[in-house]
Amino acid sequence: QVQLVQSGAEVKKPGASVKVSCKTSGYNFAGSYMNWVRQAPGQRLEWMGWINPNSRGTKYAQKFQGRVTMTRDTSISTVFLEMRGLRYDDTAVYYCARSLSAYYFDTSDHWGQGTLVMVSS
Amino acid sequence: SSELTQDPAVSVALGQTVRFTCQGDSLGNYYATWYQQKPGQAPLLVIYGDKNRPSGIPDRFSGSSSGNTASLTITGAQAGDEADYYCSSRDTSSNHVIFGGGTKLTVL
Repeated sequence: QVQLVQSGAEVKKPGASVKVSCKTSGYNFAGSYMNWVRQAPGQRLEWMGWINPNSRGTKYAQKFQGRVTMTRDTSISTVFLEMRGLRYDDTAVYYCARSLSAYYFDTSDHWGQGTLVMVSS
Repeated sequence: SSELTQDPAVSVALGQTVRFTCQGDSLGNYYATWYQQKPGQAPLLVIYGDKNRPSGIPDRFSGSSSGNTASLTITGAQAGDEADYYCSSRDTSSNHVIFGGGTKLTVL
């Protein structure tokens, strides 16, 4: 069965960087886009971008351009989200979420368990 | 940029029917997607492409769309349906993913 297992919670100081991993199994890793979505406490879901694990192509939400990098390692079927210049309002749960298909690239049918990133001095 | 608007909260009596709405200009061009999110859990896809149910989602859940409004209907609400429901679509100009503010469902 499809599984997305994310790395553990992180506590970072303002200005620091964080890298979250999402290890996948149970499907053709290169065959599905991966979205990253975050959710601040009590707030709505917020799309950050996607990566095409096959081509390494990425698309980022304008809000995160220049501060976020999505990468993948096909040898271990894992995608990564790196965010730099962390601010207090980056405190959120970060989810990786597999795209349903190339056509429904914006539709996520399987989600990781979420990784809490807390920015605190 | 596009926005999706949802009612903040709705309640329904056990066994009755409840309808969620999602309004936004982008829905005139792109399909709606619906997610259910229970406290402390990741979202769960319940409707995609306006009206399609993924495998494993009960047929009590149905979706529709007309003009700039998409709807999710739960027929025969159960206590286990209590959750936040988010709609999603694409921004008209950038093709990026956008989410509504979510609707909190209470089953009485």
